[in-house]
Amino acid sequence: DGGITQSPKYLFRKEGQNVTLSCEQNLNHDAMYWYRQDPGQGLRLIYYSQIVNDFQKGDIAEGYSVSREKKESFPLTVTSAQKNPTAFYLCASSIDPGTGRIDGYTFGSGTRLTVV
Amino acid sequence: DQQVKQNSPSLSVQEGRISILNCDYTNSMFDYFLWYKKYPAEGPTFLISISSIKDKNEDGRFTVFLNKSAKHLSLHIVPSQPGDSAVYFCAASSNSGYALNFGKGTSLLVTP
Repeated sequence: DGGITQSPKYLFRKEGQNVTLSCEQNLNHDAMYWYRQDPGQGLRLIYYSQIVNDFQKGDIAEGYSVSREKKESFPLTVTSAQKNPTAFYLCASSIDPGTGRIDGYTFGSGTRLTVV
Repeated sequence: DQQVKQNSPSLSVQEGRISILNCDYTNSMFDYFLWYKKYPAEGPTFLISISSIKDKNEDGRFTVFLNKSAKHLSLHIVPSQPGDSAVYFCAASSNSGYALNFGKGTSLLVTP
């Protein structure tokens, strides 16, 4: 079955360390996205990629970095420059680049990152 | 600046009754709207959508209404079931946009 997989489900990081969250999809979707969810804040866009080897900053990109070397993979690195990294991180993909207008996004199950 | 607003953080409804979740938007370029349902520690799942050329879309117990002049949409769940208890996100997109814009979500609790 096709889907989108995020790993790990829970991640603990010490202050000052970089950490990379994995996102893999086998849906043959062109577009992929990273969102962050905080209590009472909804989903905020971190980065998005409409095609391989290209990605763009979203609304809250500071302190994060991404790569898109393969269509299936869109890893997110939370760097030490991110001031408040503790959050629930969601990866998503869509058939049509950018808007998910055909049938929306397919989301992964998320990664809960906690800074200790 | 929040372009999609869900002003009710929570809603409690009795089983069997109607649940009405509201969403307002500010960007007049938005022309496609979606509702997602999310359980704790899981990713959101697509529920129902509506294009701006329509004012109503129905799928089983779920109906979305769109009032373009008021920039308002609502999700009706009839009848509500305990399994509907979740956070519901409203999302919007425009043809020139690059990603979905999400509201902050409304937590629905359906009590037996």
